[in-house]
Amino acid sequence: SQTIHQWPATLVQPVGSPLSLECTVEGTSNPNLYWYRQAAGRGLQLLFYSVGIGQISSEVPQNLSASRPQDRQFILSSKKLLLSDSGFYLCAWSPRRQGARTEAFFGQGTRLTVV
Amino acid sequence: AQSVTQLDSQVPVFEEAPVELRCNYSSSVSVYLFWYVQYPNQGLQLLLKYLSGSTLVESINGFEAEFNKSQTSFHLRKPSVHISDTAEYFCAVTVNTGFQKLVFGTGTRLLVSP
Repeated sequence: SQTIHQWPATLVQPVGSPLSLECTVEGTSNPNLYWYRQAAGRGLQLLFYSVGIGQISSEVPQNLSASRPQDRQFILSSKKLLLSDSGFYLCAWSPRRQGARTEAFFGQGTRLTVV
Repeated sequence: AQSVTQLDSQVPVFEEAPVELRCNYSSSVSVYLFWYVQYPNQGLQLLLKYLSGSTLVESINGFEAEFNKSQTSFHLRKPSVHISDTAEYFCAVTVNTGFQKLVFGTGTRLLVSP
């Protein structure tokens, strides 16, 4: 069966520090990968998605970047965190061969607090 | 572009009472619809989905939702809720463009009290 791992679960970082959140998927190959951010009262916003190694699409302009160095690894990064980067970050994957005709499967999330 | 509206940010209800969580979407093309549930500080779990076929879909824990194309709605219902149903519920939509990009509503917090 497929599983998705996301870490760390909680992170407190000072303003201006770098960020690296990692997500890995097991039990499948060639997944579509996603990073979402959840802010209180605003639902989930898609930040980045990837259809393959090195292929990253950004949905919103922001202080963050994403990379996919391996087929089942997706990394969310920042060189210098802002207070507004605080939030709950969720990694997700979906089977590429099914296109849009499938649900996305989510990790447990990372609670990031920038202080 | 498609969008999702969940008008109720919070729905309080007593245990064993029925509940309906409303979801409306807008899209100029055919859509796939989803309900996800989120417990505190956890990721999202799929509750149920509509891809095609019967417009009434059910989950294993007693929830159901009906796709109504004319009203562009996908309301979630349960005839009798439990304390353990207390959670946040998100409605989401994606269009059949060959790639899945979920657009979420702002969520509805269901509060079940004894």
